[in-house]
Amino acid sequence: AQTVTQSQPEMSVQEAETVTLSCTYDTSENNYYLFWYKQPPSRQMILVIRQEAYKQQNATENRFSVNFQKAAKSFSLKISDSQLGDTAMYFCAFMAGTYKYIFGTGTRLKVLA
Amino acid sequence: NAGVTQTPKFRVLKTGQSMTLLCAQDMNHEYMYWYRQDPGMGLRLIHYSVGEGTTAKGEVPDGYNVSRLKKQNFLLGLESAAPSQTSVYFCASRPGGTGELFFGEGSRLTVL
Repeated sequence: AQTVTQSQPEMSVQEAETVTLSCTYDTSENNYYLFWYKQPPSRQMILVIRQEAYKQQNATENRFSVNFQKAAKSFSLKISDSQLGDTAMYFCAFMAGTYKYIFGTGTRLKVLA
Repeated sequence: NAGVTQTPKFRVLKTGQSMTLLCAQDMNHEYMYWYRQDPGMGLRLIHYSVGEGTTAKGEVPDGYNVSRLKKQNFLLGLESAAPSQTSVYFCASRPGGTGELFFGEGSRLTVL
């Protein structure tokens, strides 16, 4: 069975600084997809970034980038130039051929002014 | 643009009562999912569907039933509610391939 682990329940970062959120996963699948979702206080879930396992190049979306280490089964999210609006719960997620979409327990990020 | 709509948004039940949560999507998505969100436990998959007329169990299916009679609707039923089912429930849908999940706004259910 696939599992997703986020070992940092809470983190904080100063505005304009950089922060990295960790995620590890376990799977026997070779082809899969990894995601980071953001849940602000409004509770609405929003996709931040997506990575296909067959791609070696790390995905980037503006201030958000990932460090994907397939052999280590690690998928961390780096947020550069943190903004107050980045304050949210961040979830790492995994999807493979079974169509199950599995989430980690989340990391609550607070950006400090 | 409606996207994914969940009804009701809030509900209070007594132990043993039954209820149905309705999820409707207007994006013609094949895949639909029901999750529950609890503090410290993240999002846990209850049931999912890969197309009209199909359903499959997720991580925590016990105490819940689902149906997908129409492509746009995915119903989550609680036959005999228990306090352990107090949670926020999210419905999500996605197109085929590697599409992102589109979430509803969540439904807060309290079982007394």
